[in-house]
Amino acid sequence: AQTVTQSQPEMSVQEAETVTLSCTYDTSESDYYLFWYKQPPSRQMILVIRQEAYKQQNATENRFSVNFQKAAKSFSLKISDSQLGDAAMYFCAYRSPYNTDKLIFGTGTRLQVFP
Amino acid sequence: GAVVSQHPSWVICKSGTSVKIECRSLDFQATTMFWYRQFPKQSLMLMATSNEGSKATYEQGVEKDKFLINHASLTLSTLTVTSAHPEDSSFYICRASLVDTQYFGPGTRLTVL
Repeated sequence: AQTVTQSQPEMSVQEAETVTLSCTYDTSESDYYLFWYKQPPSRQMILVIRQEAYKQQNATENRFSVNFQKAAKSFSLKISDSQLGDAAMYFCAYRSPYNTDKLIFGTGTRLQVFP
Repeated sequence: GAVVSQHPSWVICKSGTSVKIECRSLDFQATTMFWYRQFPKQSLMLMATSNEGSKATYEQGVEKDKFLINHASLTLSTLTVTSAHPEDSSFYICRASLVDTQYFGPGTRLTVL
């Protein structure tokens, strides 16, 4: 069974600085999808970025980028030029291409942004 | 873009009563919807997969007689918490898939007194 681990329960960053959130996963599958979701105080889940395992290039969405290390089964999220609105819970998630129903979440990292 | 709504957004009920939570896909048809439960400061735990026109598939440890799921149409799935108790107080979130994209509802906060 696949598992997703986020070892940082809380992180903090100064506004305009850069922060990296860690995520590791375990799977025996060679192809899969990885996601980072943001859950602000409103509790609405928002997709931040996604990565297909077959793509070697790291995904990027504006200030958000990932460092995908397939061999190490690591999928970290880098937030550049942090903004106050980035403060939220961030969840790493895994999805198998063979069972697209299942979205397996990590335990989450609470990000605080200080002015 | 695709939107998933939930109703109510929050509900308070007395212990022993039943509560129904609705999840609707507003502008697309969802043959499959998923129900999650989230305790404070914790992750989302999948409770069940709701399939239109058939019985829901429950995750291990989830009581199907307590958490009744009905997916009567392609745009509506309901979760009924029967004989609710204070330990059922939680945040309930639904998810629907459209092609390769996941859409989450805004969640329902249930408080059982």
